Amino acid sequence: GEDVEQSLFLSVREGDSSVINCTYTDSSSTYLYWYKQEPGAGLQLLTYIFSNMDMKQDQRLTVLLNKKDKHLSLRIADTQTGDSAIYFCAETPDKLIFGTGTRLQVFP
Amino acid sequence: GAVVSQHPSWVICKSGTSVKIECRSLDFQATTMFWYRQFPKQSLMLMATSNEGSKATYEQGVEKDKFLINHASLTLSTLTVTSAHPEDSSFYICSARDYGETYEQYFGPGTRLTVT
Repeated sequence: GEDVEQSLFLSVREGDSSVINCTYTDSSSTYLYWYKQEPGAGLQLLTYIFSNMDMKQDQRLTVLLNKKDKHLSLRIADTQTGDSAIYFCAETPDKLIFGTGTRLQVFP
Repeated sequence: GAVVSQHPSWVICKSGTSVKIECRSLDFQATTMFWYRQFPKQSLMLMATSNEGSKATYEQGVEKDKFLINHASLTLSTLTVTSAHPEDSSFYICSARDYGETYEQYFGPGTRLTVT
């Protein structure tokens, strides 16, 4: 079956970089996504990467994709307290399959 | 652009009653809408996919007679939780895919359902 895994929790100091990792299972996924969810809210698309790319950079966000290992990561540079949230990776062969979510806590 | 709204944002109902949740795409036409369920501190679980004008496709394990989905127009899908029970209490989130786009879904803010 499909199973997208993430570490549950990450704590970083404000100003440091955060790296959130994700392991997916479906090699036919066309796009891979990172979503952010703040408490009691819906999901906000942060960025996505097409499966034929290795890296994508978007301001403070860098996505790395290793298709061989089915590993996806999201790096947030200069992490701010406003970045505290739950981050979900998702793969999509045809429908979104979400990871387990990583709770990022940023402390001053 | 690309805003999805849900109504209500929260609802409390008694066991045995039915609750309807609306999902609207405000500034685009959504040929496909998705309904998710999220338990506290857990990931989103896809319940069903609805295409405008046709029957919804339910994921394995989701009772179609309990969770009625209607996608009557290109901007509105509804989820009705029939004969609700406390175990149906959850956060329900919808998303919509813009016609012609293949990669992005726009998510609503979610509806918190509490069944007493």
